[in-house]
Amino acid sequence: TQLLEQSPQFLSIQEGENLTVYCNSSSVFSSLQWYRQEPGEGPVLLVTVVTGGEVKKLKRLTFQFGDARKDSSLHITAAQPGDTGLYLCAGGSAGNMLTFGGGTRLMVKP
Amino acid sequence: DTGVSQNPRHKITKRGQNVTFRCDPISEHNRLYWYRQTLGQGPEFLTYFQNEAQLEKSRLLSDRFSAERPKGSFSTLEIQRTEQGDSAMYLCASSLDAWGTGEAFFGQGTRLTVV
Repeated sequence: TQLLEQSPQFLSIQEGENLTVYCNSSSVFSSLQWYRQEPGEGPVLLVTVVTGGEVKKLKRLTFQFGDARKDSSLHITAAQPGDTGLYLCAGGSAGNMLTFGGGTRLMVKP
Repeated sequence: DTGVSQNPRHKITKRGQNVTFRCDPISEHNRLYWYRQTLGQGPEFLTYFQNEAQLEKSRLLSDRFSAERPKGSFSTLEIQRTEQGDSAMYLCASSLDAWGTGEAFFGQGTRLTVV
């Protein structure tokens, strides 16, 4: 069974601070997605990375896929209260079945 | 097409009753997935379809859970004889199998409360 571990589980920071969320596995994934989920809603896809070492930027968010395609990180610069939510990583494997991590709950205080 | 649609958004049922949820995927997507998410956890995979074929169902939580996608379009997830432990958010997602990247788009979910 492929497992994804996210850290930290909870993060509370002040507006304007930077943060990094990690997603680690002992398994190799064909792709890795990051989602953001708000209470009572479904996860919303932020980015997909497929190549080892790939870096993608989405405004203040920077996503990196590890060289061995076993881990990923999400870095947020100058966090804002609107960034508050549950951040989920998900690994794609043969058959397109997504395996999710447990999530990182981020709270950004004004 | 506005994305993946799930109905109902909320369902409250008494223990022992049967419930059925519906998912309408993005129209050109061949693959459809069901996940369950409990409070504070990441989504847990249940089953998936490619067109009308159910390709993986070993992760369904018990024989009280079943899913169908009879015409390869919408899907239903049924839970028979509900238990309080079934209370959770049930999420549906769809993807294009041709992409091969595992990228999936989710609906807003159905929140089930068993009382």
